Amino acid sequence: DIVMTQSPDSLAVSLGERATINCKSGQTILYSSDNKNYLAWYQQKSGQPPKLLIHWASTRESGVPDRFSGSGSGTDFTLTISSLQAEDVAVYYCQQYYSTPYTFGQGTMLEIK
Amino acid sequence: QVQLVQSGAGVKKPGSSVKVSCKASGGTFNSYPFSWVRQAPGQGLEWVGGIIPMFGTTNYAQKFQGRVTIIADESTSTVYMELSSLKYEDTAVYYCARVNGLVMIIPVGAFDLWGQGTMVTVSA
Repeated sequence: DIVMTQSPDSLAVSLGERATINCKSGQTILYSSDNKNYLAWYQQKSGQPPKLLIHWASTRESGVPDRFSGSGSGTDFTLTISSLQAEDVAVYYCQQYYSTPYTFGQGTMLEIK
Repeated sequence: QVQLVQSGAGVKKPGSSVKVSCKASGGTFNSYPFSWVRQAPGQGLEWVGGIIPMFGTTNYAQKFQGRVTIIADESTSTVYMELSSLKYEDTAVYYCARVNGLVMIIPVGAFDLWGQGTMVTVSA
């Protein structure tokens, strides 16, 4: 199984400031035949199902604000929120869909400082 | 607008089975794979297994092999997950999710649409 490890476990950022969450996979999730990273980022607010933010490591899902961006390749990835808004308080998960079992990071709780 | 609507919460006894449904409405059903993901109280996300309705092919996490069955009914655009021999640690919210791509017979993509979740409580 591919282990996904996020850092930090929790993060407090002031409104309007940048938030950065890291995700590391236990093996490469870059598929050589299509040169795509099989990584997604999800946002989960309290009492709600997860919501897809980013897929293919850096492609923003339709309707997701452009303050959310994803980067990285191979085994190291980053989710960045450029200017934190109050509605961004949530738990964020990375996920690999390179191979089954699909696996998620343990989650990063993002709060307002 | 496509929606995934799941069946309601339930309480089950240890050793029994639970069957959760997930009905897709408002869009094409059998063009996409579906997965089931669970989340124990206060915990993270865990993939249970998936199905490609068009082919009826399934793929289960090793952890659940022998206890989980996922089927699809194309006539009602509904996917089902049945988990048997329930244990206390199976207490969780179970989500169905649509996988946003299919290449040949392989699900390829992130989970772009989620059901609202079904709370399953295992209690004597």
